[in-house]
Amino acid sequence: EVQLVESGGGLVNPGGSLRLSCAASGFTFSTYTMNWVRQAPGKGLEWVSSISSTSSYIYYADSLKGRFTITRDNAKNSLYLQMNSLRAEDTAVYYCARVDSNNYDYWGQGTLVTVSA
Amino acid sequence: QSALTQPASVSGSPGQSITISCTGTSTDVGSYNLVSWYQQHPGKAPKLMIFEVSKRPSGVSNRFSGSKSGNAASLTISGLQAEDEADYHCCSYAGGGTYVFGTGTKVTVL
Repeated sequence: EVQLVESGGGLVNPGGSLRLSCAASGFTFSTYTMNWVRQAPGKGLEWVSSISSTSSYIYYADSLKGRFTITRDNAKNSLYLQMNSLRAEDTAVYYCARVDSNNYDYWGQGTLVTVSA
Repeated sequence: QSALTQPASVSGSPGQSITISCTGTSTDVGSYNLVSWYQQHPGKAPKLMIFEVSKRPSGVSNRFSGSKSGNAASLTISGLQAEDEADYHCCSYAGGGTYVFGTGTKVTVL
């Protein structure tokens, strides 16, 4: 069974940093592109970042302006999102999602990030 | 990377059909047959319902169908059921390894 489990969310002050993790199991993690998608309270989904299976291709939403960094460790079946210079508008549930032929076929349950003083 | 436009809400009675629109631009929806739709119940993770404009994953009811014309895509739910009440999100590949989601639509079964 495919499982994606996010962790690392929490309350952080504006300007602070946080590192999210996503532990994958039940499939060959090293062969799939992985993405982070977020959802602000009461809002729609927003694509955040994508990383290819071997980390050769990495993409970010323009709105992030270099504050976030996506990485992966295929030996540990894990995906990460380093978030710096956090702002109130970054408050959201962050999902990791597996990409299969440009579709998100599996999602984690999400981890809540709250940016507030 | 502007969000695709969806109606905020759509409602229908049990057994009826409803259609949710998803309007993008010539650089996303209009350029690729890579539109997908996701169902999301409150407090839950999204679930893939339609991919590549009109294909259904295994296990998804054939009451769900998708289509596209120009820069707009749509999701139709026929034979509306109480369990279909949820939020629905469209998504399109936007080139250069990027994706764009819609603004989301709340479906209410009256």
